[in-house]
Amino acid sequence: DGGITQSPKYLFRKEGQNVTLSCEQNLNHDAMYWYRQDPGQGLRLIYYSQIVNDFQKGDIAEGYSVSREKKESFPLTVTSAQKNPTAFYLCASNDRGGNQPQHFGDGTRLSIL
Amino acid sequence: GESVGLHLPTLSVQEGDNSIINCAYSNSASDYFIWYKQESGKGPQFIIDIRSNMDKRQGQRVTVLLNKTVKHLSLQIAATQPGDSAVYFCAENSLYGGSQGNLIFGKGTKLSVKP
Repeated sequence: DGGITQSPKYLFRKEGQNVTLSCEQNLNHDAMYWYRQDPGQGLRLIYYSQIVNDFQKGDIAEGYSVSREKKESFPLTVTSAQKNPTAFYLCASNDRGGNQPQHFGDGTRLSIL
Repeated sequence: GESVGLHLPTLSVQEGDNSIINCAYSNSASDYFIWYKQESGKGPQFIIDIRSNMDKRQGQRVTVLLNKTVKHLSLQIAATQPGDSAVYFCAENSLYGGSQGNLIFGKGTKLSVKP
């Protein structure tokens, strides 16, 4: 079945460590997104990419980095500069052209050791 | 600025009753809206969408109503079932420059269905 796969489901980060969250989609979507979700909060946009080899900062990009070398993949790195990384991270994708629903993966929960 | 919000953060209904979840949006120029369902520990699941040239759209047991005059969106779930228990988010499209295609999400309403 087509879909979005995020891994790992749970991730722990040590002080000063960078960690990378994986997001893969086989929906042939051009656009991909990373969101952060905190308890009782809506989704906040970290980074997005509308085409391979191009990406843009969202509302809360500080302390995060991404790459988009392949259409299917949009990994997110949470760097040591992100001082409050504990959250639920969601990846999504959709077709370009506007007014298309985003389809989500099942998230990665990141915690601090 | 633009924002998407919800009137009720929690909603408790009896199994078999109809549920109505409300959402207010502030950008009158938004022309696309989506409802998502999120179960605990999972990603949001697309339920239904509506474009601004429509007032109503129906799916299986769900109806979305759009009132552009008062900038209000609602999701109606008929014959609510225990499996409908989840957090429901509305989202509107962003119209600003290079972020077209992005969505702006509300904080969500938690729906609890009592057996």
